[in-house]
Amino acid sequence: AQKITQTQPGMFVQEKEAVTLDCTYDTSDQSYGLFWYKQPSSGEMIFLIYQGSYDEQNATEGRYSLNFQKARKSANLVISASQLGDSAMYFCAMRPFTGNQFYFGTGTSLTVIP
Amino acid sequence: NAGVTQTPKFRVLKTGQSMTLLCAQDMNHEYMYWYRQDPGMGLRLIHYSVGEGTTAKGEVPDGYNVSRLKKQNFLLGLESAAPSQTSVYFCASLPSLGQARNEQFFGPGTRLTVL
Repeated sequence: AQKITQTQPGMFVQEKEAVTLDCTYDTSDQSYGLFWYKQPSSGEMIFLIYQGSYDEQNATEGRYSLNFQKARKSANLVISASQLGDSAMYFCAMRPFTGNQFYFGTGTSLTVIP
Repeated sequence: NAGVTQTPKFRVLKTGQSMTLLCAQDMNHEYMYWYRQDPGMGLRLIHYSVGEGTTAKGEVPDGYNVSRLKKQNFLLGLESAAPSQTSVYFCASLPSLGQARNEQFFGPGTRLTVL
């Protein structure tokens, strides 16, 4: 069975500080992709960053980086220099490469405090 | 390119009524998905399609039917709506799968309320 766990329902961070959003996953597949999406209050789903299980280096996209620890099956999202516009729901997702389905976590609500 | 569009954006139904949600993409994507989003539960897969004329069940398919008669369209049907189907519905598409970066492109969502 595939499962994504996001244990932080809500997080607060001071503007300009860094924040880490946790994500752990459970899969028996050896090859898979990990994704993070942002959902602002307007409702759309915005792709942020991708990490392949075979990638040796952690993925980075601007202020977003993914702290990938394969042995621990964790794929935490790090947002550096938080901005007010980062306030949103964040979803972690995984797709085992043997299948066609994507599996999502329950999300973390991030609030950036001025 | 319009990307992924969903029709309608909002809908209120009475229990027992039927309706069809339309997802359209103009990116020539092979794969299309329907999800529902409920508070505290993230996105759950209802049905998906790996190409024109194909459909498959996801995690929560009961009470829904789908069709993919044209590559660019993926329809989600509710034959007899129930209050438990009150949710926000998202459609997503992507060009291909494989062992590479292949994020889904999402539509704006449809907010459905069943009274």
